Amino acid sequence: SQTIHQWPATLVQPVGSPLSLECTVEGTSNPNLYWYRQAAGRGLQLLFYSVGIGQISSEVPQNLSASRPQDRQFILSSKKLLLSDSGFYLCAWSQQTYGYTFGSGTRLTVV
Amino acid sequence: AQTVTQSQPEMSVQEAETVTLSCTYDTSESDYYLFWYKQPPSRQMILVIRQEAYKQQNATENRFSVNFQKAAKSFSLKISDSQLGDAAMYFCAYRSAKAGRRALTFGSGTRLQVQP
Repeated sequence: SQTIHQWPATLVQPVGSPLSLECTVEGTSNPNLYWYRQAAGRGLQLLFYSVGIGQISSEVPQNLSASRPQDRQFILSSKKLLLSDSGFYLCAWSQQTYGYTFGSGTRLTVV
Repeated sequence: AQTVTQSQPEMSVQEAETVTLSCTYDTSESDYYLFWYKQPPSRQMILVIRQEAYKQQNATENRFSVNFQKAAKSFSLKISDSQLGDAAMYFCAYRSAKAGRRALTFGSGTRLQVQP
């Protein structure tokens, strides 16, 4: 069966520090991968998506970047965090016409 | 660009009663998919139900059913025999059927409270 792992679950980082969130998928190949952000009490905003290794599409200009070094690995990064980067980050994967499977999320607080 | 609107920020229902959550969307496409996701306090996103736009029959999953009105671009979720465990944020989402446009677009969510 397919599973998706996302870590860390919680992260507190100072302003100006770097960020690396990792997401891996097991039990499938060539998935579409996504990073979403959810501000407190709000809906989900698509940040990045990837249809293959090294293929990244950005939806929102921002302080963040994404990479896909392996087929089932998706990384969200920042060189210098801003206070506005705080939020709940969700990784997800999909294939074909079915809905997405989401990771358990990372709660990021920038202080 | 597609947009999804959930006009009810909060809803409340008595246990064992029925509640309907509203969702409208805007698109120029004819083929797409619609979803309802549940987000409990754990914040895990859980797929509740899915509807293909080319199907006229409304999707049903146990106590959950949808009323899909394609012409009106409306996609409401009905929860029957509400249970305490149904309390959560509910998000309506749209996805194009076109290759290369498979990202989900979410509404702002409806917080459902279930009163015992």
